[in-house]
Amino acid sequence: DSGVTQTPKHLITATGQRVTLRCSPRSGDLSVYWYQQSLDQGLQFLIQYYNGEERAKGNILERFSAQQFPDLHSELNLSSLELGDSALYFCASSVGGGSGNEQFFGPGTRLTVL
Amino acid sequence: SQQGEEDPQALSIQEGENATMNCSYKTSINNLQWYRQNSGRGLVHLILIRSNEREKHSGRLRVTLDTSKKSSSLLITASRAADTASYFCATDESFKTIFGAGTRLFVKA
Repeated sequence: DSGVTQTPKHLITATGQRVTLRCSPRSGDLSVYWYQQSLDQGLQFLIQYYNGEERAKGNILERFSAQQFPDLHSELNLSSLELGDSALYFCASSVGGGSGNEQFFGPGTRLTVL
Repeated sequence: SQQGEEDPQALSIQEGENATMNCSYKTSINNLQWYRQNSGRGLVHLILIRSNEREKHSGRLRVTLDTSKKSSSLLITASRAADTASYFCATDESFKTIFGAGTRLFVKA
């Protein structure tokens, strides 16, 4: 158990809908990362927050948005869902925000868009 | 785009044998990390090697880094069935963590 929690574990929804994925980092970790893992794209970095501020942005679609709250938990919002958004979404956390921090991954949320 | 590319894509070995996976990357790095993922689960950090290090050990894991060739290798010695998993290298590019496509290792008992 990494100490990172993600809810829900599974999510099935329809195209065009909007969903929110939630992540609670390990106690003491200030950074939260979001990743998308699919068979064709592999593990893609989406976005990183450090202590409430956006630190780095990867291949995150405009339909997706995220935020980190004062209690350091984070939410990833996915809207106007398409079939291709079906994937495993992972959250990870680390103590620091810079390069070389060991990241602790949550169990993931499996999103299925029908 | 992928910063790290692993090779081979898949590897099948017998228990007790050694497994070697390679990772190549494109830009200069400060460090390189290796992670492991059991099927459909979250990644687990294995080891980090800094750009000024050439080799690092952790238990049955040995990682090398050749910055002149922009490559790293992960060696798992005396493999066990429980080592069956996917292994990924990861580098940082402007604070973005870039993972390679991974090597799928299957260790037969």
